[in-house]
Amino acid sequence: GAGVSQSPSNKVTEKGKDVELRCDPISGHTALYWYRQSLGQGLEFLIYFQGNSAPDKSGLPSDRFSAERTGGSVSTLTIQRTQQEDSAVYLCASSFVSGHETQYFGPGTRLLVL
Amino acid sequence: GQQLNQSPQSMFIQEGEDVSMNCTSSSIFNTWLWYKQDPGEGPVLLIALYKAGELTSNGRLTAQFGITRKDSFLNISASIPSDVGIYFCAGPISSGSARQLTFGSGTQLTVLP
Repeated sequence: GAGVSQSPSNKVTEKGKDVELRCDPISGHTALYWYRQSLGQGLEFLIYFQGNSAPDKSGLPSDRFSAERTGGSVSTLTIQRTQQEDSAVYLCASSFVSGHETQYFGPGTRLLVL
Repeated sequence: GQQLNQSPQSMFIQEGEDVSMNCTSSSIFNTWLWYKQDPGEGPVLLIALYKAGELTSNGRLTAQFGITRKDSFLNISASIPSDVGIYFCAGPISSGSARQLTFGSGTQLTVLP
C-alpha cells in the first residue's frame, strides 16, 4: 500500500475485555513505532521495533500492554483487561531507518472503553 | 524527562490572517519538527529543522530553530480554511535503544471564513 494502514479505525469495547490493534507499515520500512494520543494531548511513545532487534518497550504504561511484530512487517498492539483510561487514539508510524524525520503515521485506531 | 511546552493551546483566526505558534523546552534539542494533524488522520510532517538559527519555509509555512536550541516557532501566512487542524512540535530524545519523538500538546487552529 501507499501508506501506513491501521485497523480497526474505531473500536468500542467493555471494561475488562482484551483488544488487538493492527498496523501495516509501509513496505520496506524497518522501524515501527506505536504512540497513544489522549484527547487534547500530544503523542505519547509506547513501543518501538527496529528490524530483528529486541523492541524498546520503555513507553508501555503497564503490563496490560504488549506488542508484537511478525516477520518484520505487521505489528499488533494488545491491551488486556482494558480500563476506561485506555480510551485514546492509538497511532502507528513507520520509517525506513530509525530516523525521526522520516516517520510516516497511519490514521490511528480510536479506542473507546465503556 | 524532556518536555515540550507548546502555545497557544488554541487559536481562532479570520481567513487571510497570519498565525504564529511556538514551542519551548528546558532542554536542548538538536532537531525540531513541526507536524499537522487533520481530523481523523495521523500527523504529517510539515517542516524539519536541524541547525540552530535555521529558518525554513514550506509554501506559506515558515519555521525557525531558536538560537538557544530550546525553542522553535511556526508561522502560517495568509491562512486558508484547509489550514484547520492541530499543529504539533516534536523533537527526538534518546531513550533506551530508540530514538523517540516527544511531542508538544498541540495548537488547535480554527480558521473562520
